[in-house]
Amino acid sequence: GAVVSQHPSRVICKSGTSVKIECRSLDFQATTMFWYRQFPKQSLMLMATSNEGSKATYEQGVEKDKFLINHASLTLSTLTVTSAHPEDSSFYICSAPRLAGVSGHEQFFGPGTRLTVL
Amino acid sequence: AQSVSQHNHHVILSEAASLELGCNYSYGGTVNLFWYVQYPGQHLQLLLKYFSGDPLVKGIKGFEAEFIKSKFSFNLRKPSVQWSDTAEYFCAVNSIGDDKIIFGKGTRLHILP
Repeated sequence: GAVVSQHPSRVICKSGTSVKIECRSLDFQATTMFWYRQFPKQSLMLMATSNEGSKATYEQGVEKDKFLINHASLTLSTLTVTSAHPEDSSFYICSAPRLAGVSGHEQFFGPGTRLTVL
Repeated sequence: AQSVSQHNHHVILSEAASLELGCNYSYGGTVNLFWYVQYPGQHLQLLLKYFSGDPLVKGIKGFEAEFIKSKFSFNLRKPSVQWSDTAEYFCAVNSIGDDKIIFGKGTRLHILP
């Protein structure tokens, strides 16, 4: 099946620094990718839709200046958490859709990145 | 707006018991439906999906789900669970033509050996 990778898998940073997380679709192209945030023992919350060649679309309540998204190519999207604070500590997951039949897309998820802000 | 509701937050079963996890969605249009599983320490994996056709969908590891359009439901079932099924299960939906997936809050399944 399709593979989506994320890098790094784990990052610890000091408060006030910025952290970049990469999401790559390894064997297919994706004009759209999605970024989720998962708090402990909770569901995935969609943060934004990353669009290749255009601006990302953010969900309500997600600060676009805080979470910068760049879809640099058809296989790479990056999420930068700017001026990170302890409350930004979370598990960040990306996904990329690939067409599966005529009716819809199947999402392939990355393994996630655990961010800890001290 | 679309939403997905999973009724059971935490389920504990003994091995060989039958499983049914509830999932209801709210959306008036045509949808695609998914069940994902997240094993401890691992990333999300697709269990099964419904796009169209037979409303009874069979997935991996002996799981199946039935789409009942009139009830806006897509319940997950397995006739006999195993200890290795211990994981978190997420129901998800997206509307036709929109790649964005909305997840339910998840059900944590714990199988006693």
